Amino acid sequence: AQKITQTQPGMFVQEKEAVTLDCTYDTSDPSYGLFWYKQPSSGEMIFLIYQGSYDQQNATEGRYSLNFQKARKSANLVISASQLGDSAMYFCAMREGPGSTLGRLYFGRGTQLTVWP
Amino acid sequence: AAGVIQSPRHLIKEKRETATLKCYPIPRHDTVYWYQQGPGQDPQFLISFYEKMQSDKGSIPDRFSAQQFSDYHSELNMSSLELGDSALYFCASSLPWGDGNTEAFFGQGTRLTVV
Repeated sequence: AQKITQTQPGMFVQEKEAVTLDCTYDTSDPSYGLFWYKQPSSGEMIFLIYQGSYDQQNATEGRYSLNFQKARKSANLVISASQLGDSAMYFCAMREGPGSTLGRLYFGRGTQLTVWP
Repeated sequence: AAGVIQSPRHLIKEKRETATLKCYPIPRHDTVYWYQQGPGQDPQFLISFYEKMQSDKGSIPDRFSAQQFSDYHSELNMSSLELGDSALYFCASSLPWGDGNTEAFFGQGTRLTVV
């Protein structure tokens, strides 16, 4: 079963508008971490934001915020005031079970965001 | 700040050849992960090492092997290359997951093309 589901293959947003990228996850582990990465066309994987399963508050990093709804197992990324440079592929990812030496990331299939002027 | 260094950045090999990809983690990071991202695909976990021992194994073909050396750098060896091995290969490093450590830092990737 897919551990991370991103249902939006592509999203379009106008510059300066906000956009929400959806992510749902599946795990039975009570401890986990959720990540969002940005991958521009150049290929590098850029970390954006992290949410731990026990964090009480939604994570925020500048223009990025994570709308964490634990009961619904969703971790949507909100980008406020979109910029042309935000055009990229966005991946949601999860790590299970902190405290072990494992910690592999499970990725979703990604959402291609296009910001237009 | 020092980042994860991968070399080479680009590699072109012929079918049935061998390739070696190198990864130099961030200093003091003792955990290294390898991921493979095919064209238009999400990254898939291959293998990881903690303190020079293999710690987890994903969908790594038997033709591939990897190790982590005493200086914590890691190498991914790929033999009998196939066209389907063409992909972006990422290395990531981290401190042990937990104890307040959350992020895995990615290198810029090695783009392997098999012709």
